[in-house]
Amino acid sequence: SAVISQKPSRDICQRGTSLTIQCQVDSQVTMMFWYRQQPGQSLTLIATANQGSEATYESGFVIDKFPISRPNLTFSTLTVSNMSPEDSSIYLCSVPDPSTNEKLFFGSGTQLSVL
Amino acid sequence: QKEVEQNSGPLSVPEGAIASLNCTYSDRGSQSFFWYRQYSGKSPELIMFIYSNGDKEDGRFTAQLNKASQYVSLLIRDSQPSDSATYLCAVAPFMDSNYQLIWGAGTKLIIKP
Repeated sequence: SAVISQKPSRDICQRGTSLTIQCQVDSQVTMMFWYRQQPGQSLTLIATANQGSEATYESGFVIDKFPISRPNLTFSTLTVSNMSPEDSSIYLCSVPDPSTNEKLFFGSGTQLSVL
Repeated sequence: QKEVEQNSGPLSVPEGAIASLNCTYSDRGSQSFFWYRQYSGKSPELIMFIYSNGDKEDGRFTAQLNKASQYVSLLIRDSQPSDSATYLCAVAPFMDSNYQLIWGAGTKLIIKP
């Protein structure tokens, strides 16, 4: 399994500001995933963060709004830029099982509220 | 468009009974199937996964696949109040890509004492 530390756990932000979420894994992993879960909804993949290359964004998500860094195999950040109330969500980082790639593990999540 | 569908619920089950959760998927070639449990305000936690070749039992949990009808079930025996949560079904449509998942919207399960 993997132990994933995500912070902050929650934040309340003002419209127009930016928030950077950090994700630290206790094992080296090739891919890290960033998900969004809006209230009462399921998980939506924002992007895949690969070490040494630019992140791959899913349809509807762009780098200017959600810049991602992946400086090494155990760490990634997601920034939510120029926030609006529509960005209020839970943001989750996720990694495959480091030993088997058979399943995904999730960090504890960041509950973001934008006023 | 690959889709995974779940009844949003809530599904209310008396304590001690069997809770049965279902999930249908659109891609007939899907290879792996996952059930995650998510308590309110928490992140998803994997509880079961199966491959297209068979069912699996783990303690009180059983995951069953019906490939012909394209649905996967999660049975929880001897339901406990602590099983009350939202259960997310996820499907991996590609071989060797168990992390590129298609997610259902989740079924809220309530176990009544």
